Amino acid sequence: GQQLNQSPQSMFIQEGEDVSMNCTSSSIFNTWLWYKQDPGEGPVLLIALYKAGELTSNGRLTAQFGITRKDSFLNISASIPSDVGIYFCAGRKTSYDKVIFGPGTSLSVIP
Amino acid sequence: DTGVSQNPRHKITKRGQNVTFRCDPISEHNRLYWYRQTLGQGPEFLTYFQNEAQLEKSRLLSDRFSAERPKGSFSTLEIQRTEQGDSAMYLCASAPKVRENTEAFFGQGTRLTVV
Repeated sequence: GQQLNQSPQSMFIQEGEDVSMNCTSSSIFNTWLWYKQDPGEGPVLLIALYKAGELTSNGRLTAQFGITRKDSFLNISASIPSDVGIYFCAGRKTSYDKVIFGPGTSLSVIP
Repeated sequence: DTGVSQNPRHKITKRGQNVTFRCDPISEHNRLYWYRQTLGQGPEFLTYFQNEAQLEKSRLLSDRFSAERPKGSFSTLEIQRTEQGDSAMYLCASAPKVRENTEAFFGQGTRLTVV
């Protein structure tokens, strides 16, 4: 079936550092999504991408929709302690399709 | 609060018991999804409703699982004869009518522990 891979699986960084994580798929998606999940909570949408090559920012977060439509990356600049959590990429083939999630990247920020 | 509401937040049950979870979507969202999330994994799709119609079910949804959305508003997910492998976070999400660039909002989930 469809599968998304995320790397790295986990990362430990110093407060103030920039973070980069990516997501790859064996299938083409027409929508890429990035979510953050805090412990015991549901995922919260951070950024949605709808066009190949699209680069979108949300505050300190920037994400790109890969031109092959099989990958996406998320950058976080100047990390702060509240950035701690698990970041999931997710993809969807059509507007009517379900969203498929990756396994997540766990981010820890050391003050 | 106008977000997706799930109840209960936590449920501990003995193996073999039946459990039922409820999801109240955002008002006027006609699409509703159930996902399951085990520790260290991303959410996995279980089933999808458009209004009261259950349009898609994952192979993960064994015959012990049943979901309903009788009036196209709230939804319930029932698990019969629970097994330890059913222990997971069950997430509900809702979305408005399909149009470009609209995404679903997730609830806080129901954490099920089967002992």
